[in-house]
Amino acid sequence: GAVVSQHPSWVICKSGTSVKIECRSLDFQATTMFWYRQFPKQSLMLMATSNEGSKATYEQGVEKDKFLINHASLTLSTLTVTSAHPEDSSFYICSASKDSNNEQFFGPGTRLTVL
Amino acid sequence: LAKTTQPISMDSYEGQEVNITCSHNNIATNDYITWYQQFPSQGPRFIIQGYKTKVTNEVASLFIPADRKSSTLSLPRVSLSDTAVYYCLVVPYNFNKFYFGSGTKLNVKP
Repeated sequence: GAVVSQHPSWVICKSGTSVKIECRSLDFQATTMFWYRQFPKQSLMLMATSNEGSKATYEQGVEKDKFLINHASLTLSTLTVTSAHPEDSSFYICSASKDSNNEQFFGPGTRLTVL
Repeated sequence: LAKTTQPISMDSYEGQEVNITCSHNNIATNDYITWYQQFPSQGPRFIIQGYKTKVTNEVASLFIPADRKSSTLSLPRVSLSDTAVYYCLVVPYNFNKFYFGSGTKLNVKP
């Protein structure tokens, strides 16, 4: 149990376009979902925390208008990278937790390349 | 939140036991210690979690001394497929945000 999926696995887009990444908890209801970004050879960096039905909480330095997060249901959260630029190219990973304890289940990640 | 310090990288050979130590000097009373494994271009995978003394599961053991200022992840008889980055996290029980440190890149050689 506790499987998290992401779609797409990889995406290539032109500079200036917007890209939506989906994160789904397949076999459980996720009270909280998280979005991370990971650049090559670096660690994961927490971008934002989202709870179903409420606005996401962004980490310091993460532009909320650029990285739009929607958590419309207990099994789905989406991250939209608006007006993507080459510097947004990265590996985006989501995770989900079932309740308020500190266990997170990670998705497989989405590789975004902006040309 | 407690800061963690791990070696940047480690080398090992197949069949050896590998011990990766993480320092967390300012760990708090309600903090748990959790280790994750990450392969390239994949999301992290939970390995083990503990609070004190020793925890063992089917893939690893976690040793935590009485003062809890450090912890050691022990991987028995590693194989080439254990080559990955291993992250140590210290997180309060009811706090659900993860701030990853640099991790330890384990390179298992034949």
